Amino acid sequence: AQKVTQAQTEISVVEKEDVTLDCVYETRDTTYYLFWYKQPPSGELVFLIRRNSFDEQNEISGRYSWNFQKSTSSFNFTITASQVVDSAVYFCALSDWGGAQKLVFGQGTRLTINP
Amino acid sequence: KAGVTQTPRYLIKTRGQQVTLSCSPISGHRSVSWYQQTPGQGLQFLFEYFSETQRNKGNFPGRFSGRQFSNSRSEMNVSTLELGDSALYLCASSLGGEWTEAFFGQGTRLTVV
Repeated sequence: AQKVTQAQTEISVVEKEDVTLDCVYETRDTTYYLFWYKQPPSGELVFLIRRNSFDEQNEISGRYSWNFQKSTSSFNFTITASQVVDSAVYFCALSDWGGAQKLVFGQGTRLTINP
Repeated sequence: KAGVTQTPRYLIKTRGQQVTLSCSPISGHRSVSWYQQTPGQGLQFLFEYFSETQRNKGNFPGRFSGRQFSNSRSEMNVSTLELGDSALYLCASSLGGEWTEAFFGQGTRLTVV
């Protein structure tokens, strides 16, 4: 069975600090997708990134970066120079390769950026 | 383009009643998925519809059902409501091909009293 673990329930940092959100996953599949979503107080989930299991290259998008390590089944997310607007709940998710839109989510990490 | 629209945004129902939630996907999207979000269980997959057919289903009792219409709009129904059904119900739409990005609506907050 697939499982995603986000061990950090809540993180609180001061603005401009760097922060890393951890994600560890379990799956028996050799091919799969990993995702990060952001959930602001308004409720909708905002897509941040999708990574397939063949591509272990790290990715950077502005202040956001992702580190995928298949050897440790981890897909960590780092925000550099955090801003108050980054405050939200962040979810890591896993899906199999089959094309069906079925996501297995972690429990989420509530990130609070204090001014 | 317009995003995913879920109606209503908030709903209060009494135990034993039934409820229908609606989701209008982004124009051109053929896949609609439903998720339940609760503080205790987190985000859990309910089911996915693609071209009016249920393509995948999560581990929820038969009280939870859904359907999709020819215009891709989807409804989910919960019968014989229980207090534990109180949750945020999120709908996601996508083109439906080999893992395309899923766009989520703002959800329907259901409270069962």
